[in-house]
Amino acid sequence: EDKVVQSPLSLVVHEGDTVTLNCSYEVTNFRSLLWYKQEKKAPTFLFMLTSSGIEKKSGRLSSILDKKELFSILNITATQTGDSAVYLCAVSLMDSNYQLIWGAGTKLIIKP
Amino acid sequence: ETGVTQTPRHLVMGMTNKKSLKCEQHLGHNAMYWYKQSAKKPLELMFVYNFKEQTENNSVPSRFSPECPNSSHLFLHLHTLQPEDSALYLCASSQEGRQGAFRAFFGQGTRLTVV
Repeated sequence: EDKVVQSPLSLVVHEGDTVTLNCSYEVTNFRSLLWYKQEKKAPTFLFMLTSSGIEKKSGRLSSILDKKELFSILNITATQTGDSAVYLCAVSLMDSNYQLIWGAGTKLIIKP
Repeated sequence: ETGVTQTPRHLVMGMTNKKSLKCEQHLGHNAMYWYKQSAKKPLELMFVYNFKEQTENNSVPSRFSPECPNSSHLFLHLHTLQPEDSALYLCASSQEGRQGAFRAFFGQGTRLTVV
């Protein structure tokens, strides 16, 4: 059965800290891995990763994929209270144009 | 704003009621989705429509009935729901990209409570 596992389930840090969120997957026919940020309700897209070892970066956020070890990490440096959210990881498959396998998310709380 | 609008934002309904959730996307995408999000669980895909045709139905109970009149609008009709159906219902849309890669754009969701 295809699955995506995120860790930790929740994390509390102080403003200014650096955090690393993990996403591991076991799927048949991997196509891509996606990261989303969910603050209140609507998950918003962060990154899509398809190639191993190539870092995607957007401001203080960065992500990298390791297709050999079947995981991805999302790094957030110099965290701010606005980074508090649930971070979701999802994997798309080659044999489906619509199905995403989702992790349960990591709830990140940034304390001032 | 993500370009995907859902209404209502909150809904409380009794188990004998009939209600509908509405979703509209302004992105010109060809696929629309309904997801269910329960507390501390992964997003569950319920239905997918591609160019108005339903392409996936992930064993969803018949008390949930989707309707897609055109590629911009999607409805979820609800009747005789159970308390365990209380959840956040998210609508999403996507456009198939290069090599089939796609990313989903989500609406704000409808927080449904069944009493």
